[in-house]
Formats: sequence, structure tokens, C-alpha cells
Amino acid sequence: GNSVTQMEGPVTLSEEAFLTINCTYTATGYPSLFWYVQYPGEGLQLLLKATKADDKGSNKGFEATYRKETTSFHLEKGSVQVSDSAVYFCALKEGGSQGNLIFGKGTKLSVKP
Amino acid sequence: EAGVAQSPRYKIIEKRQSVAFWCNPISGHATLYWYQQILGQGPKLLIQFQNNGVVDDSQLPKDRFSAERLKGVDSTLKIQPAKLEDSAVYLCASSLADRDTQYFGPGTRLTVL
Repeated sequence: GNSVTQMEGPVTLSEEAFLTINCTYTATGYPSLFWYVQYPGEGLQLLLKATKADDKGSNKGFEATYRKETTSFHLEKGSVQVSDSAVYFCALKEGGSQGNLIFGKGTKLSVKP
Repeated sequence: EAGVAQSPRYKIIEKRQSVAFWCNPISGHATLYWYQQILGQGPKLLIQFQNNGVVDDSQLPKDRFSAERLKGVDSTLKIQPAKLEDSAVYLCASSLADRDTQYFGPGTRLTVL
């Protein structure tokens, strides 16, 4: 069945460091791909998305490119801030009218000043 | 625009007791979802409603879990009787339609002792 695999956390970085969180997926067909972020004590928020191959999603300095050939959707940011500390979830949504979100296990990011 | 509301935020019960969670989606959103998020894992879909009809409840443990969405607006999720392994955060999400972005509420953290 469809699934999402994320790199294990936690990830600890210093402020202004470069961030990569790896995400690969298994799916039949052509899913849409998402990154959600969960700040401490808050609900999940959509960070960015891509709906077809080679699309690049971007928001708040974060980027991810839908790579069909490597079935990947890695999250990157050039310079992280303390306020980026959160748990990041990669997810896919199957196509069709009854598709639902399938999430990875999440990667906890801690950014130190 | 008001977000997805959930209550209570926290609940502690003993095993074999019953519990209910409430969700009020964003106004006008036809699709409503309940997810279970066990500590250290990504959210898992329990049930999806389209207006007041069930679209997908394939992962809902129907011997103990039930959900309803009367009048196609608010929804309640019930567990009766609860087991230790039901300890998790229960997330409600809504979207305009099935294909659209899902917006998540803050969740209800359930602890079963």
C-alpha cells in the first residue's frame, strides 16, 4: 500500500544552519505531496505542497521539489531560525475523490541560538 | 476566519470508561476528518465525512469507536470502552471538499490509565 518514510529525528541545528529533512514515498498512481508542521502545543499546519512531478512547493523560506524518478520530496531551508523548532510531517494524498492523507512518522527539529 | 475547534483539549480516564470528543469545522467546509496520532507517529485517519455521510471508516475500530456528524456540521467521536492503547491525540480536520487542503484543529490529548 501507499506509505511515507521520513528521516529519523530528532534533528538539532544551530541558528542559520542549512536544513534538509528527507522524505520518500511509495504510491500507486500520482499522489499530491505535502509538508505539515506542528509547533509545540498547536495543531498541524500546512507548510507547502506539490501536486505533480517537478513542482516545487515553497513557503516561509522552506522548499521541496516533487521528484518522481526518486520518489522523494525532501524539505530544505537555507537558514533556520529558533522559531522553526517544531515537528515536521511529510504526507501524501492519493488521487481521486476519496483520497486521504497518509503521514510519515514526523521529524522533530530543534534549533539552538 | 475561525479555525477548527475541538474540545476538550485534555482528557484523562480509566480503562473501560467511555469518552467523547467534539469538533466544530471551519464554516462551509463539507469534508470532516478524525485522525488518531499516537506518540511518536504520524496521524492516522479514523473516519472521513462528506457532509453528514461517511466516506471512509475502514480504519475505525468499530467495536469500540463511533462517530457522527449530525446536520453536516459538528461532529463527535466516542470511545466505549477505552483501552490503554487508545492513549493518543485525536485530531479533527476539515476541508472545503475532498480534494482541498485540510485544516487541523489543536487536538484532544487522551490519556487512558
